[in-house]
Amino acid sequence: KAGVTQTPRYLIKTRGQQVTLSCSPISGHRSVSWYQQTPGQGLQFLFEYFSETQRNKGNFPGRFSGRQFSNSRSEMNVSTLELGDSALYLCASSWAGLKDTEAFFGQGTRLTVV
Amino acid sequence: GDSVTQMEGPVTLSEEAFLTINCTYTATGYPSLFWYVQYPGEGLQLLLKATKADDKGSNKGFEATYRKETTSFHLEKGSVQVSDSAVYFCALSPSTSGTYKYIFGTGTRLKVLA
Repeated sequence: KAGVTQTPRYLIKTRGQQVTLSCSPISGHRSVSWYQQTPGQGLQFLFEYFSETQRNKGNFPGRFSGRQFSNSRSEMNVSTLELGDSALYLCASSWAGLKDTEAFFGQGTRLTVV
Repeated sequence: GDSVTQMEGPVTLSEEAFLTINCTYTATGYPSLFWYVQYPGEGLQLLLKATKADDKGSNKGFEATYRKETTSFHLEKGSVQVSDSAVYFCALSPSTSGTYKYIFGTGTRLKVLA
């Protein structure tokens, strides 16, 4: 079956703009999580959605937001972009979002802010 | 709070050498533990996992044992191949009810020379 699909793969934006990233989870998966990966900070948890509800949120400013639709597809939005938001954004899906279940990651969206 | 500490890289080995990548964690309760691998330009792929103390996860010749007494989950492989060159991440999923997220280590880059 198809894996986790993230679009777009690459994005270049200017400081102050906003951006929306999309994630389509594996069919049947109801939990979608987002992570930011940077060379300096490594992989950091942004938030997790399950059945359209945000269950967990990481330590990021309010400029970072997300949502999940009834078909489990998820979007994350970053407003008022800063240079430091340049990163690889990874989406992961899990069928139930339980601690023992593995997460399947997409290839990521590489965001560059100039 | 919960955290994961991984050995610093990069690690450079000759083909067929023995590999150990150290990972220790700090967490309350009984988290689940994972090793993920990231190849260049790709997302993360699950390598193996263990969900309770003394469990041994194994896959593709890699092994790791969940050691509660030493809070460790070291990754080992008896004979590495050039194709094992990648970045390896140790991660935990907290045992806190209703909290589904991964806390990652900083990653260890492995380079295997022919």
